[in-house]
Amino acid sequence: ETGVTQTPRHLVMGMTNKKSLKCEQHLGHNAMYWYKQSAKKPLELMFVYSLEERVENNSVPSRFSPECPNSSHLFLHLHTLQPEDSALYLCASSQDVWHEQFFGPGTRLTVL
Amino acid sequence: GQQLNQSPQSMFIQEGEDVSMNCTSSSIFNTWLWYKQEPGEGPVLLIALYKAGELTSNGRLTAQFGITRKDSFLNISASIPSDVGIYFCAGGDEASNTGKLIFGQGTTLQVKP
Repeated sequence: ETGVTQTPRHLVMGMTNKKSLKCEQHLGHNAMYWYKQSAKKPLELMFVYSLEERVENNSVPSRFSPECPNSSHLFLHLHTLQPEDSALYLCASSQDVWHEQFFGPGTRLTVL
Repeated sequence: GQQLNQSPQSMFIQEGEDVSMNCTSSSIFNTWLWYKQEPGEGPVLLIALYKAGELTSNGRLTAQFGITRKDSFLNISASIPSDVGIYFCAGGDEASNTGKLIFGQGTTLQVKP
């Protein structure tokens, strides 16, 4: 595997479910990011991790909980989501926080 | 907060035509990035610009970092059907200390063979 991978690619969940999104980067980067992409809106930054430390939490509701166990892996834990949380969730990584970011293919999330 | 205005919102052109799109902001950025996103995929980095006035090419793509550091444009020459997709600009500010990028709304490009 090369680049940034995300699993699952598609996820359908009910509002009472708990699920997790996984991101893995094979680029040796030190920074990882979660973005939300909704239709007709610009990409919204959710969280930034640098060397496994969270450095940005962009006013994201607590029903989204990130976890970065090491510099190669990033998770987004989901619980009690709302239908308006349905979107494409993108993971990205960069060498360090000031370098260009490389994106994974995304997880298409549908909340019923 | 910081915002980027990207235009045009969409373009429908004939194969072989040249394309131009741009991003403007009231804020200064230290980095400008251009990405392309195809359906079902994440954005792919096309060009990165780090210096005001910088003009960089990647094949048929050319992008410039505006002198005022408040704008950038992307040109595509001799378009082909595989250029179809959504093009995003993104501005970065090193002073933010978090790698935060501000994204434009995207330009949807359709190419008629």
